[in-house]
Amino acid sequence: GQNIDQPTEMTATEGAIVQINCTYQTSGFNGLFWYQQHAGEAPTFLSYNVLDGLEEKGRFSSFLSRSKGYSYLLLKELQMKDSASYLCAVTGSGNTGKLIFGQGTTLQVKP
Amino acid sequence: DAGITQSPRHKVTETGTPVTLRCHQTENHRYMYWYRQDPGHGLRLIHYSYGVKDTDKGEVSDGYSVSRSKTEDFLLTLESATSSQTSVYFCAISEQTNTEAFFGQGTRLTVV
Repeated sequence: GQNIDQPTEMTATEGAIVQINCTYQTSGFNGLFWYQQHAGEAPTFLSYNVLDGLEEKGRFSSFLSRSKGYSYLLLKELQMKDSASYLCAVTGSGNTGKLIFGQGTTLQVKP
Repeated sequence: DAGITQSPRHKVTETGTPVTLRCHQTENHRYMYWYRQDPGHGLRLIHYSYGVKDTDKGEVSDGYSVSRSKTEDFLLTLESATSSQTSVYFCAISEQTNTEAFFGQGTRLTVV
């Protein structure tokens, strides 16, 4: 089967660092994406990992370990506007670009 | 912002009626997808297209059909709407299979 797990909810303080974990078990792997989704809005792209290691993009970084089926999204210097859902998604076997999503992690940033 | 629009944005329909949702893109991307988003389930793929008249099923395709007669339009039809199809529907496009997908603003469908 195909399964992607993320924590349902997290809370963090403005200015702090938070790490959102994602574990996956899929039939095939062609890359892992992170998306951000504010309430009532469309998901927007944050990062893409296909090789092991850390990808850094401003305040956001994403890490991948293919052997462990594990990824995390690291958000630094948290701002109130970072309160949103963060979606982990994997492209599985086949060259179709189909995304398999986890349920998403709702992050609340408090002052 | 990627040129992708969904219509309608909101719709209320009665059980048993057919409903068609439209996704229109101006990016000339080859791949188009329909997802539904429900609390506790995240985003789930309904159908996708990898070219004009080339479509395939996703994980929750029962009760849905799609058509893509030209590159820019991808239609999702609920053949006979049921209350279980009340959801938010998102269309997405991507240029290649290993590039980011751009999502439309979503269609909130309520079946009463």
